[in-house]
Amino acid sequence: NAGVTQTPKFQVLKTGQSMTLQCAQDMNHNSMYWYRQDPGMGLRLIYYSASEGTTDKGEVPNGYNVSRLNKREFSLRLESAAPSQTSVYFCASSPTSSAWATSTDTQYFGPGTRLTVL
Amino acid sequence: KQEVTQIPAALSVPEGENLVLNCSFTDSAIYNLQWFRQDPGKGLTSLLLIQSSQREQTSGRLNASLDKSSGRSTLYIAASQPGDSATYLCAVRQGSGSARQLTFGSGTQLTVLP
Repeated sequence: NAGVTQTPKFQVLKTGQSMTLQCAQDMNHNSMYWYRQDPGMGLRLIYYSASEGTTDKGEVPNGYNVSRLNKREFSLRLESAAPSQTSVYFCASSPTSSAWATSTDTQYFGPGTRLTVL
Repeated sequence: KQEVTQIPAALSVPEGENLVLNCSFTDSAIYNLQWFRQDPGKGLTSLLLIQSSQREQTSGRLNASLDKSSGRSTLYIAASQPGDSATYLCAVRQGSGSARQLTFGSGTQLTVLP
């Protein structure tokens, strides 16, 4: 049981390049999330998927797209990377859909992808 | 908009000391509050979750309290050890609206000196 896995662990891009961050979970969770973490700030939600086939914007969605490929996989795409997107990206999953979360529903996080855009 | 603040940003204590980490939030209509631990280069691990109807939760040497009316939570660590060195993040889940997403504080970086 690997939990939440993310690839790659590190990536360096030039401004304008595109890339996709991959995330997979093997816990049969319904909801999945993408966050970014910047120095001195808490994690901020980029996009989330409450269930297979649905995605919704979070707090900072501009410059990103997502795909919930199936129940296990949720990818984050940067179409034209900018230096402001330099950050650590975390994927997370939780058992229930976010709209119907129980009061004990918790999120499980992957190890993160450290992205630098030059 | 919910805002979560954690003070101090960094804390250094000698081994064996009891310590308290603080978290405050601006909107008291929360669904629950969680404390996470983050080790360097790693993801977040949930330590304790307090439901809005609860006042505290305990796990081993950790005790988290919640005072919704004042918008505060504390994480108490007893008999600190060097292995407790990490960044501790507090996050709240809102009770209103269809998207019960987490709002995170920026964390307290704890160093326990041997």
